[in-house]
Amino acid sequence: EPEVTQTPSHQVTQMGQEVILRCVPISNHLYFYWYRQILGQKVEFLVSFYNNEISEKSEIFDDQFSVERPDGSNFTLKIRSTKLEDSAMYFCASRNRGLGETQYFGPGTRLLVL
Amino acid sequence: LAKTTQPISMDSYEGQEVNITCSHNNIATNDYITWYQQFPSQGPRFIIQGYKTKVTNEVASLFIPADRKSSTLSLPRVSLSDTAVYYCLVGLLGGQNFVFGPGTRLSVLP
Repeated sequence: EPEVTQTPSHQVTQMGQEVILRCVPISNHLYFYWYRQILGQKVEFLVSFYNNEISEKSEIFDDQFSVERPDGSNFTLKIRSTKLEDSAMYFCASRNRGLGETQYFGPGTRLLVL
Repeated sequence: LAKTTQPISMDSYEGQEVNITCSHNNIATNDYITWYQQFPSQGPRFIIQGYKTKVTNEVASLFIPADRKSSTLSLPRVSLSDTAVYYCLVGLLGGQNFVFGPGTRLSVLP
């Protein structure tokens, strides 16, 4: 069964550094998402992406964040100048076109900012 | 986006049927109801989705009354491995992002 994959599974970085989280969505999917989940808290929407542009973003997704689909298969989330509070699990999700199609989530990247 | 309300936690024993009810009073005409399961440190896993009446798959059943203001996820004969957080989500699946609530933490006891 096709699945969303994410790399790395764990990332430790120093405050102020930039990180890039990578996702490979399911191959025929057209809509892509990033969510995050701070330890013990709810899953929070960050951004959705369709047709090579952001279709929606939350208040969390400020200028510190950016997304890109550089090569038609990968979908990346870049976090510039990381802060301690960026420590969280980051989940990528993808969805096919069509009403009734649901989102499938990847296993997540655990980001720890020291 | 329709707001959902579900119990914060539930306990059950192995082999029992578990029913988790979610309220979504302001569900819109085109909204679908989707349930996800999440284990610690893993991504949410799709369980079942429906629009009205009853949907059943190999994992669960979803019961939706005619007014669609609530839905019930039914897990038959739970096992210890069903211990997880279960999220009820309501939205138009034509591109809308999901808004997750706190979910229902199900604990299955031996």
